[in-house]
Amino acid sequence: QKEVEQDPGPLSVPEGAIVSLNCTYSNSAFQYFMWYRQYSRKGPELLMYTYSSGNKEDGRFTAQVDKSSKYISLFIRDSQPSDSATYLCATLKQGGSEKLVFGKGTKLTVNP
Amino acid sequence: DSGVTQTPKHLITATGQRVTLRCSPRSGDLSVYWYQQSLDQGLQFLIQYYNGEERAKGNILERFSAQQFPDLHSELNLSSLELGDSALYFCASSGLAGIADTQYFGPGTRLTVL
Repeated sequence: QKEVEQDPGPLSVPEGAIVSLNCTYSNSAFQYFMWYRQYSRKGPELLMYTYSSGNKEDGRFTAQVDKSSKYISLFIRDSQPSDSATYLCATLKQGGSEKLVFGKGTKLTVNP
Repeated sequence: DSGVTQTPKHLITATGQRVTLRCSPRSGDLSVYWYQQSLDQGLQFLIQYYNGEERAKGNILERFSAQQFPDLHSELNLSSLELGDSALYFCASSGLAGIADTQYFGPGTRLTVL
C-alpha cells in the first residue's frame, strides 16, 4: 500500500464550482499535511499547511485533515480558470528519520 | 519566480552516462532539497542538505549523489544513467533546517535518457 494515495483525475469543472480534492495516507505517524499547486512546466508551490486535525482556511481555499480516518482534503470555492493546475498533497513525519511523502497529484481544469 | 534557479533546463543524454544538475537556493536559504518527478512515481524526495551537511535522505539511489558547497549552491550527480531516470528533477530551498519549513521550488531540470 502506498503511503499517500491521491486520485490523479483529471478533474474538469465549470468556473465558479466548488472543487474537492482528496488524499488518504497510511502512516499514523504523519504529523504535517500540505497541499501544493503545480502549474504546467513549473515547480510546485505551497498552498496550505496544517499540523493537526481540523480545518484551515485561506481565502477561497480550505484544507481539512481527519487523522482518525487518515483523510486530507482541499476545497476550492468559486473556482477560477487560473486554478487550473495539478494539486499535490504531501505528508510529513518528523522525529528520527524525517520523511516527506507526496501524492501523485490531481490535475484540475476549470473551464470558463 | 521563487528565487531558486536550476541549470540546465533540459538535458538529453545516453544510458550509462553521468550528468550534473545545479541548483542555487534563494538568497539567505541554508537548506536545499532535491526531488525527482516522474509520471510513474510522482514527486519523490531524494535528499536534503543544510548548510553544507546532509540532513535527510529519501528515496535516493546509490548511483545518485549530491553535495552543497560553501556558497550554498548544490549539485546533484546522476551516474550510470538508465532509461528510467528520465524525469523532472526539482531543487527546493528553505531558510531553516526542518523539513517542515516552507520550501520554495525551482523550475526544474528535465532529464531525458535515450
